[in-house]
Amino acid sequence: DAKTTQPPSMDCAEGRAANLPCNHSTISGNEYVYWYRQIHSQGPQYIIHGLKNNETNEMASLIITEDRKSSTLILPHATLRDTAVYYCIVRETGTYKYIFGTGTRLKVLA
Amino acid sequence: GAVVSQHPSWVICKSGTSVKIECRSLDFQATTMFWYRQFPKQSLMLMATSNEGSKATYEQGVEKDKFLINHASLTLSTLTVTSAHPEDSSFYICSAGGGSPYEQYFGPGTRLTVT
Repeated sequence: DAKTTQPPSMDCAEGRAANLPCNHSTISGNEYVYWYRQIHSQGPQYIIHGLKNNETNEMASLIITEDRKSSTLILPHATLRDTAVYYCIVRETGTYKYIFGTGTRLKVLA
Repeated sequence: GAVVSQHPSWVICKSGTSVKIECRSLDFQATTMFWYRQFPKQSLMLMATSNEGSKATYEQGVEKDKFLINHASLTLSTLTVTSAHPEDSSFYICSAGGGSPYEQYFGPGTRLTVT
């Protein structure tokens, strides 16, 4: 079973920040959190990952709570091209294996 | 990030025939490859994990004799859907792992339609 829970859908105005939450209350101390997104009929695209510290790259920022039981993906200035399903994944320890949850369908509105 | 390709991108076949889908990692050596299937408006479901040179490990409920996986090299894995039926129609996605820390790189997917 997926180790993460996410809201099924969210809307965001173009140009505004999109904040996508994820709960992973059973995460273990050495398990990473990954975020991917999937645009319709394409393979998932890597966004960012983290362990304990907050992370930022050219696409997004990842904020992980101190107890690591939840995280938030932030797209700082959402565009229409960011409309996609966003998946938060906790990788099984010691393996490459991902179990996808249901994801959040983000719709960026003009 | 690393590049993973799939071929074909879409295929239509008749019921009862077999279809082979290729997954290639183009710029790195993939020690592990994964195969997923995705039905419309649903999430990705992991079917199997394959390590180069060894037998694939199938997830519960996935028929290993129906979905044959071969991972003969560090850059190529194949999925063969044998005796395909209309209910096998789906979007099949592969991914490759080989970097650190355990990132997966996904292919663009193959849409299979069985008539």
